[in-house]
Amino acid sequence: AQTVTQSQPEMSVQEAETVTLSCTYDTSESNYYLFWYKQPPSRQMILVIRQEAYKQQNATENRFSVNFQKAAKSFSLKISDSQLGDTAMYFCALMNYGGSQGNLIFGKGTKLSVKP
Amino acid sequence: DAGVIQSPRHEVTEMGQEVTLRCKPISGHNSLFWYRQTMMRGLELLIYFNNNVPIDDSGMPEDRFSAKMPNASFSTLKIQPSEPRDSAVYFCASSDIGGAEYNEQFFGPGTRLTVL
Repeated sequence: AQTVTQSQPEMSVQEAETVTLSCTYDTSESNYYLFWYKQPPSRQMILVIRQEAYKQQNATENRFSVNFQKAAKSFSLKISDSQLGDTAMYFCALMNYGGSQGNLIFGKGTKLSVKP
Repeated sequence: DAGVIQSPRHEVTEMGQEVTLRCKPISGHNSLFWYRQTMMRGLELLIYFNNNVPIDDSGMPEDRFSAKMPNASFSTLKIQPSEPRDSAVYFCASSDIGGAEYNEQFFGPGTRLTVL
């Protein structure tokens, strides 16, 4: 079975500081992607960053970066220079690819609060 | 592009009533996904279609739930009869699977269903 685990239900960080959200996963597939989605109070799901499993280099998108440890099946998200607008639920997700596969498997989420 | 469109945005109904949720995927996308989000279970896949054909409906909770995709531009998720435990946010997402190795899923704004 494929699973995604986020062990931190809630976290808080001061504005302008750095925070890291944890995620571990389990899959028997060799080809997969990992994602972090942001869900603000508007409940819209917004893709923050993605990582291809075959790439060793960690993905980076502006203030967001990941630490992908394939052997440990770990995929953490680092948010630098936190902003008030980063306050949201963050979901880690796994997608196997190939053929007609393409559904996302989500973790339970981490609620991040950025404090002024 | 208008993105994935869902209607209604909010639905309040009484136990035992039939509920129909609607989704219009992004034009040109060949895959459509229905997810349900609850506090207890998080985000979980209910069913997904590829080229209008249901590929995996193992997430559909029981026979009260049914989904159809009569054409490439429309899908429905029906609950009959509805129960209070069906209260959740239901998301529709679409993607273009096949060919390119990466197929981002684009989410609609969700339908918040409350069953009294």
